[in-house]
Amino acid sequence: KQEVTQIPAALSVPEGENLVLNCSFTDSAIYNLQWFRQDPGKGLTSLLLIQSSQREQTSGRLNASLDKSSGRSTLYIAASQPGDSATYLCAVKSGSARQLTFGSGTQLTVLP
Amino acid sequence: NAGVTQTPKFQVLKTGQSMTLQCAQDMNHNSMYWYRQDPGMGLRLIYYSASEGTTDKGEVPNGYNVSRLNKREFSLRLESAAPSQTSVYFCASTRTSVETQYFGPGTRLLVL
Repeated sequence: KQEVTQIPAALSVPEGENLVLNCSFTDSAIYNLQWFRQDPGKGLTSLLLIQSSQREQTSGRLNASLDKSSGRSTLYIAASQPGDSATYLCAVKSGSARQLTFGSGTQLTVLP
Repeated sequence: NAGVTQTPKFQVLKTGQSMTLQCAQDMNHNSMYWYRQDPGMGLRLIYYSASEGTTDKGEVPNGYNVSRLNKREFSLRLESAAPSQTSVYFCASTRTSVETQYFGPGTRLLVL
């Protein structure tokens, strides 16, 4: 059964800092990996989707990488801003399953 | 486009009461999903519908039933609510099972 882990559970950084959020998964047979953002009391917003054949995806200040062999993905946020404060969730679409498996998320606070 | 909409936004039930959570999407997506989100546990799939007319169990289906009313609508029913079903419920949809999922704003359910 696929398991997805995100460490740390919470992270606080000063504005302007570059930061990395980590995601690890136990089964490397995946279709894709997605990063979502969740603001308090809101639904999830898709940030980046990396197909299993890709190594990374970029959108603005965000860059997500995927290393299937080691079962890891990172989300790099450049020049962080207070508006980036949210919970970031990683989710994996396994090859054998129709569903996404989510991590518990990293709660990011960017201090002004 | 409204995207994915959910009703109600918030509901309080007594143990044993029943209710139906409604979800609709206007993106002509084929697949729809119901998740629950509990503190520290990420999102867990309750049921999904890969296409109109089909439904399948997810990770935590006990105590729930679903109906894919048409391509747009996917409802979740609690026949006899229990305190363990206190959670935030999210509906999501996607064009295909390997593309990104779009989430609704959630329904917060409290069972007393």
